[in-house]
Amino acid sequence: DAGVTQSPTHLIKTRGQHVTLRCSPISGHKSVSWYQQVLGQGPQFIFQYYEKEERGRGNFPDRFSARQFPNYSSELNVNALLLGDSALYLCASSLLAGGEAFFGQGTRLTVV
Amino acid sequence: GESVGLHLPTLSVQEGDNSIINCAYSNSASDYFIWYKQESGKGPQFIIDIRSNMDKRQGQRVTVLLNKTVKHLSLQIAATQPGDSAVYFCAENGFGNEKLTFGTGTRLTIIP
Repeated sequence: DAGVTQSPTHLIKTRGQHVTLRCSPISGHKSVSWYQQVLGQGPQFIFQYYEKEERGRGNFPDRFSARQFPNYSSELNVNALLLGDSALYLCASSLLAGGEAFFGQGTRLTVV
Repeated sequence: GESVGLHLPTLSVQEGDNSIINCAYSNSASDYFIWYKQESGKGPQFIIDIRSNMDKRQGQRVTVLLNKTVKHLSLQIAATQPGDSAVYFCAENGFGNEKLTFGTGTRLTIIP
């Protein structure tokens, strides 16, 4: 069975640009969450979506947005990139909101 | 505010010995606790979880202990192997709270 898949695996962007990260949850999972992990720290919650509705939002600026599609896949969008947005972006899926979360391998974003 | 912290940032253990990783949390409303293992270049991998109505839970070579009185969580790994070398995170989720709050992580190194 395929786990959580994220694309791309690595990405380099310039300050001020926009980026879209993609996530496909485990088959049957309806909840997708996004986390940002800065080097040397634990993941920080950005968003959670369940059944295509936003269920939670972390302390991130409005430059960060996300959505979930009818097939439960999800996109994370970040506008006006800053150097500080450089991080590993993790997607996690769970069967139910608040259930056991399974993480993908992440997208390594570097902003230069 | 809520936070999840770890007592030790690094831990070195001889192969075959047991290891204990500790974690303190501050949110008394925390209902669900999880330990994750993260290897270099990979996303966090679920190890074991425990709910607040339990004090102890065992898995294969791993045991999680929860002391709600002092808001302390520990992960015990028995008979450590080289493959156990990784960063270990504790995370918590409060009832009705959709997000996981992670600690900063402990790097476990198994010495051959």
